[in-house]
Amino acid sequence: GENVEQHPSTLSVQEGDSAVIKCTYSDSASNYFPWYKQELGKRPQLIIDIRSNVGEKKDQRIAVTLNKTAKHFSLHITETQPEDSAVYFCAATSNTGNQFYFGTGTSLTVIP
Amino acid sequence: KAGVTQTPRYLIKTRGQQVTLSCSPISGHRSVSWYQQTPGQGLQFLFEYFSETQRNKGNFPGRFSGRQFSNSRSEMNVSTLELGDSALYLCASSRWAQGGGYTFGSGTRLTVV
Repeated sequence: GENVEQHPSTLSVQEGDSAVIKCTYSDSASNYFPWYKQELGKRPQLIIDIRSNVGEKKDQRIAVTLNKTAKHFSLHITETQPEDSAVYFCAATSNTGNQFYFGTGTSLTVIP
Repeated sequence: KAGVTQTPRYLIKTRGQQVTLSCSPISGHRSVSWYQQTPGQGLQFLFEYFSETQRNKGNFPGRFSGRQFSNSRSEMNVSTLELGDSALYLCASSRWAQGGGYTFGSGTRLTVV
């Protein structure tokens, strides 16, 4: 099955700096890659996603890039704010969509 | 529109007991997946149901089971509870056929004492 690895496990940045979280996947059949943000005590929420026919997608301060050849995708957060502090999970799935494979999560702390 | 609803939100059970958790997906979503979340293990896949059929199952013992009803609501059951079953159990629904991702419920926090 698919194996998703996520790095780093923890990340601290100064407010206003950028944060980058990287994930790799193993199954070349995976074609949908969502990112979830989970604040303390809350449910994971989808913040951005990308499909394999696209190399980059941006939504305000958040962007995701995908390199299909190298089988890795990354989340980029620019101009970080304290409210960006949370655990971020990447995931991958294939056409069937009957299982999402999650990374182990990155705990992001934005220092005011 | 209503989100994914999980009940109960909190549960305390004793070792050896069994428990049933419920998940009502977003209207129109036919796929329901269950995950166990623990601090050290992240999100572990339990199983996925689509149109009342289990399509996929994770690496959990047979004590963990589930089902889905004709209205897409799903239940998961854990029998003979162990201390290690203490976790947040998250349900997610999706309308995958229309290209949608997961929407998670708020979860059920199970504590086994």
